[in-house]
Amino acid sequence: AQTVTQSQPEMSVQEAETVTLSCTYDTSESDYYLFWYKQPPSRQMILVIRQEAYKQQNATENRFSVNFQKAAKSFSLKISDSQLGDAAMYFCAYRSAQKLVFGQGTRLTINP
Amino acid sequence: DAEITQSPRHKITETGRQVTLACHQTWNHNNMFWYRQDLGHGLRLIHYSYGVQDTNKGEVSDGYSVSRSNTEDLPLTLESAASSQTSVYFCASSEGQSYNEQFFGPGTRLTVL
Repeated sequence: AQTVTQSQPEMSVQEAETVTLSCTYDTSESDYYLFWYKQPPSRQMILVIRQEAYKQQNATENRFSVNFQKAAKSFSLKISDSQLGDAAMYFCAYRSAQKLVFGQGTRLTINP
Repeated sequence: DAEITQSPRHKITETGRQVTLACHQTWNHNNMFWYRQDLGHGLRLIHYSYGVQDTNKGEVSDGYSVSRSNTEDLPLTLESAASSQTSVYFCASSEGQSYNEQFFGPGTRLTVL
């Protein structure tokens, strides 16, 4: 079975600085998708960024980018120019056959 | 606008009672999912459905059931609520392909006393 591990329960960063959230996963599949979701205090789950495993190029969405290392089964999220609105729980997720497997989450605090 | 809704948003019940949480989506998605969120565990899959009359067990299905009689709804039933089922429950839906994102409802906080 696939597993997803986020080894950083909490992270903090100064406003306008850059922070990287770590995620590793375990799978025997070669074709899959990886996602980062954001959960602010409102509890709403919001998709931040996605990565297809067959693509070598790292995905980028404005201030959010990933470092996808398929051989190492690593999928980290980099947030540049951190803003107060980025404060939230961040979940890494692995998807295969429509189902999502989530990591335990990382709580990100932004210090003004 | 299309959306996915859950009701109730908050529920308090007693041990042993049957509880049903509603999930309704207007995306016309084939796939629907139920997750529970607990501290330290992230979201874990309870049940899922790929279409009408199709239901499947997820990682933590014991004590829960679902039925899919139409495209829009996937109610989650706790047959006999237990304190261990106190949690936040999320419903989600998605279109067919794996690269499509899952859209999540706002969640239901359930407390079992």
